[in-house]
Order: sequence, then structure tokens, then C-alpha cells
Amino acid sequence: DAKTTQPTSMDCAEGRAANLPCNHSTISGNEYVYWYRQIHSQGPQYIIHGLKNNETNEMASLIITEDRKSSTLILPHATLRDTAVYYCIVRVPNAGNNRKLIWGLGTSLAVNP
Amino acid sequence: SAVISQKPSRDICQRGTSLTIQCQVDSQVTMMFWYRQQPGQSLTLIATANQGSEATYESGFVIDKFPISRPNLTFSTLTVSNMSPEDSSIYLCSVGTVRNYGYTFGSGTRLTVV
Repeated sequence: DAKTTQPTSMDCAEGRAANLPCNHSTISGNEYVYWYRQIHSQGPQYIIHGLKNNETNEMASLIITEDRKSSTLILPHATLRDTAVYYCIVRVPNAGNNRKLIWGLGTSLAVNP
Repeated sequence: SAVISQKPSRDICQRGTSLTIQCQVDSQVTMMFWYRQQPGQSLTLIATANQGSEATYESGFVIDKFPISRPNLTFSTLTVSNMSPEDSSIYLCSVGTVRNYGYTFGSGTRLTVV
């Protein structure tokens, strides 16, 4: 079962910031939040991940609330090439000291000219 | 990050036959995973491919239907056995290393069973 809920779809104007919310109210203390995106007919692409601190890289920023029950992915200056399905994911413990990603249904982001 | 070559990229197969999908990585990786993505759906983990031992399957997936091999740290195969139209999906290989915590995905195999 998915541990995250996201809006089904969102729109954003080109050049503006895209803010994608995610709820993960049942997340446990040692479970990371990951964000991936998938452009049609391609494999998922890693964006960013975090545990409790806010994170930033060349692609995006991840803002995690203090109670860790929700997070927001920020694409600072969206371009048409950012049109994709964005997945908010929780990484949980798995058998044999492994970890696995629990995928939600994702948000379909459309960046409009 | 690691570069993954997944083959074939797509195939159309007859029901009752089997297809083996290959995943080759350009560097040694700790973890290898196989996912299924049914049309219009999110990703579902099939199993974790363990080097030198049997794969660890998720609930709803069994070895007889999805046998997996991982002979070394750079290569794995997934076989979809005795296929039916319900097996039509995209199958994805993913790898991860302990160091960077990020997981890289192949471009997937688009399987259609007729």
C-alpha cells in the first residue's frame, strides 16, 4: 500500500516555480522521502531525497515539515521539459536488512508556455 | 550514477511463452531490483535480486512466474514465464549503492502479450 498521497494533476506556467505537495502522515522516523519523475515512455529519473532536513540540488528543493507528515518538491524555474509525472516515495525497511521504495500514484505536472 | 542497459526495449510475445529480460550495469552495484509498471499505473516492486542467492520476492510475486538470476554485481535477468495478456506491462530494472542512497532506473522493457 502506498504511504504517500499526491494531487492527481497540476499545471504550472513556464518560468514560474512549480510546488508539488505530498502527504506521508504515516511515515516512520527512519524512513526517507524520495522524489522521482517519469517522462512518457522513459524510466524514472531521480530528483532528490531527504529525511528531515530541507535539501537542495541542481534540479530541485525538498521542503519537509517539522513533523515529517508532508513535504513539497520545488522546481524553481519550470521549463517545458519538466512536464512529467512526479512521484513522491517513501523508502521503508525490507527483508534481509534491505530497503525498498513504496511508490504512490504520482502527480502529472503540465508546464505550459 | 550507474548506467543501465536493459534489453530488449520492447517485445510482442505469444501467450504461454516466456521472455527473459537482461539488465547490465556499467559498475558494480550493491542492490538490484525488478519492477513492473502496468499501463497507466505506478511502479510495483517484484523482487530484490541478490547476488549469489535466491531473489527476495514481494507479496503477490512468485519465483515460478518471475525467476530471477544475479550471477555477479553488474548483471541480472528477469524471466516472465508462461505469459498471459495480463502480463503486458513495462518491466524496469533498478540499481542502488549504499553510498549514495539514490536509485537508478533502466529505460524499461515494454512487453505486450497477445
